[in-house]
Amino acid sequence: QQQVKQSPQSLIVQKGGISIINCAYENTAFDYFPWYQQFPGKGPALLIAIRPDVSEKKEGRFTISFNKSAKQFSLHIMDSQPGDSATYFCAARASGSARQLTFGSGTQLTVLP
Amino acid sequence: GAGVSQTPSNKVTEKGKYVELRCDPISGHTALYWYRQSLGQGPEFLIYFQGTGAADDSGLPNDRFFAVRPEGSVSTLKIQRTERGDSAVYLCASSPGTGSEAFFGQGTRLTVV
Repeated sequence: QQQVKQSPQSLIVQKGGISIINCAYENTAFDYFPWYQQFPGKGPALLIAIRPDVSEKKEGRFTISFNKSAKQFSLHIMDSQPGDSATYFCAARASGSARQLTFGSGTQLTVLP
Repeated sequence: GAGVSQTPSNKVTEKGKYVELRCDPISGHTALYWYRQSLGQGPEFLIYFQGTGAADDSGLPNDRFFAVRPEGSVSTLKIQRTERGDSAVYLCASSPGTGSEAFFGQGTRLTVV
């Protein structure tokens, strides 16, 4: 059962444009929603994260929007740059004893120069 | 160390052989996780250690997979009787404690031929 659904699978954006990646979850016990960035041959690196008590979090060019009632959250990359070209994963983690992350299937972002 | 270190970075083995994958977490991190990432997919949870004990091994696919962390630092993921379907990147992550940010290593790419 895929608990975190991510779309699109791939995304091509012009330099300076806005990249938007969406995720939806099913498990209402999730209380932590991070986004990871992964370059080829590297492990995932935390980009930004949000908890469900806020609807938006912004760090530099990266913004997470969170809709608790719809069980959806999204990553917005403003002024996208070629260096942002990577694979992005949303993830979720539940409170309590289950501390592992459940990842989406990933979005391969290409920012054209 | 400065980050999570995984060795080897690449491992090619024949079907049916036994392999060991090593993870050196960030010094002082008590929580350690193993994930498996198949091509084009997000990481999937395998096992979680808090200190020396496996707090959650619900993600291990079958009894061919086993992991240890005898002194609460270095961990070894062991795979017996490898199958071609075991081919993937095996990622290790550590965090200062449960609920904290997880830092990933660059992974071990396992290829079973």
